[in-house]
Amino acid sequence: EVQLVESGGGLVQPGGSLRLSCAASGFTFSTYAMNWVRQAPGKGLEWVSTISFNGGATDYADSVKGRFTISRDNSKSTLYLQVNSLRAEDTAVYHCARRGCTGGACYLDSWGQGALVTVSS
Amino acid sequence: DIQMTQSPSSLSASVGDRVSITCRASQGISNFLAWYQQKPGKVPKLLIFVASTLQSGVPSRFSGSGSGTDFTLTIDSLQPEDVATYYCQKYNSAPFTFGPGTRVDIK
Repeated sequence: EVQLVESGGGLVQPGGSLRLSCAASGFTFSTYAMNWVRQAPGKGLEWVSTISFNGGATDYADSVKGRFTISRDNSKSTLYLQVNSLRAEDTAVYHCARRGCTGGACYLDSWGQGALVTVSS
Repeated sequence: DIQMTQSPSSLSASVGDRVSITCRASQGISNFLAWYQQKPGKVPKLLIFVASTLQSGVPSRFSGSGSGTDFTLTIDSLQPEDVATYYCQKYNSAPFTFGPGTRVDIK
């Protein structure tokens, strides 16, 4: 069974930093691209970032570019999101999600429960 | 960047009704579109990928159609357990934008 378990969330002051982790199990982590998706309280889903299976390619939403960094450690089956220069509007539950692909089309086929990040003074 | 819109933003229908949700991309995305269901307090769940392929385990009353810029998610006979917010997502190239969501309730 695929399992994705996020950790590292918490309360942080504006301008602060956190590192979110996502521990993966139940599949060969090193063969899958991974994503972070966030959801502000009472709001919709917002795609944040993606990383290729080997970490060689990354991409970010404009809203976080230059402040967030996605990375992975395939030896530990763990995905990370370093979040810096946090703003109130970054308050959200951060989900990691596995990217599955069929042919050239991809989708997020497994999601973690999420880690809550609250940015407030 | 390509923008994704959904309509309606919410709907209320009776059990057994046929329900349709529309997702529109501001530019063509071929069939690189997925649909997700998020029940209250739960994690999003993949329903449909490549615009019309049903994910394993998803009831056959769900179906997807469309290509290019216009897509539709249809629930053939609405059930109480279908109460949820439904999101489309483009996946042709980054950013992998989600639509704003459509909330479905039972009348």
